[in-house]
Amino acid sequence: EADIYQTPRYLVIGTGKKITLECSQTMGHDKMYWYQQDPGMELHLIHYSYGVNSTEKGDLSSESTVSRIRTEHFPLTLESARPSHTSQYLCASRPLAGGAYNEQFFGPGTRLTVL
Amino acid sequence: QKEVEQNSGPLSVPEGAIASLNCTYSDRGSQSFFWYRQYSGKSPELIMSIYSNGDKEDGRFTAQLNKASQYVSLLIRDSQPSDSATYLCAGFKAAGNKLTFGGGTRVLVKP
Repeated sequence: EADIYQTPRYLVIGTGKKITLECSQTMGHDKMYWYQQDPGMELHLIHYSYGVNSTEKGDLSSESTVSRIRTEHFPLTLESARPSHTSQYLCASRPLAGGAYNEQFFGPGTRLTVL
Repeated sequence: QKEVEQNSGPLSVPEGAIASLNCTYSDRGSQSFFWYRQYSGKSPELIMSIYSNGDKEDGRFTAQLNKASQYVSLLIRDSQPSDSATYLCAGFKAAGNKLTFGGGTRVLVKP
């Protein structure tokens, strides 16, 4: 069973606020990912990290930023939230060693609504 | 052309029948494949992984991989209403070192 946690699970916030979505995993996984998904739509990779101090932008341009100071922690920050940021944000992780055969697990997600 | 393609559905299946989901991929360098189930409003849950040509069975689920045809499938036997969800196919390739997801197939199991 995957041990990957996201907080908050739900967030309603006003335009212009700075927010940080938290993601933590206790599996010692090197690789962590952030996806954005609108209801009924595809997953879009917005950020990923291969380890401490490694961050990369994903396939979908995003105004958010991420950091990876500790292996287990991969927070996502929006400096100034806008209604267009309303979406579900999903964190995932997988081990680096073992290459293609490692399984990727998702956290429960954060549903963000910006008014 | 998307790297991983799935029919969006919905695939309507009577309870107790077999649901057959298909996925094609364009990159022959893809090495492993994964099926996720995602209930509405929830996060994806890994249900099957397959790395070699042939079939892999786990309970009511069977994954099939044909690398020559670049085709992955998922069979759900004895479908239950609780199987109603969107099923995501994902492929992994070393170049890029990340999963590429299809758009998902929505399955509806009718009692």
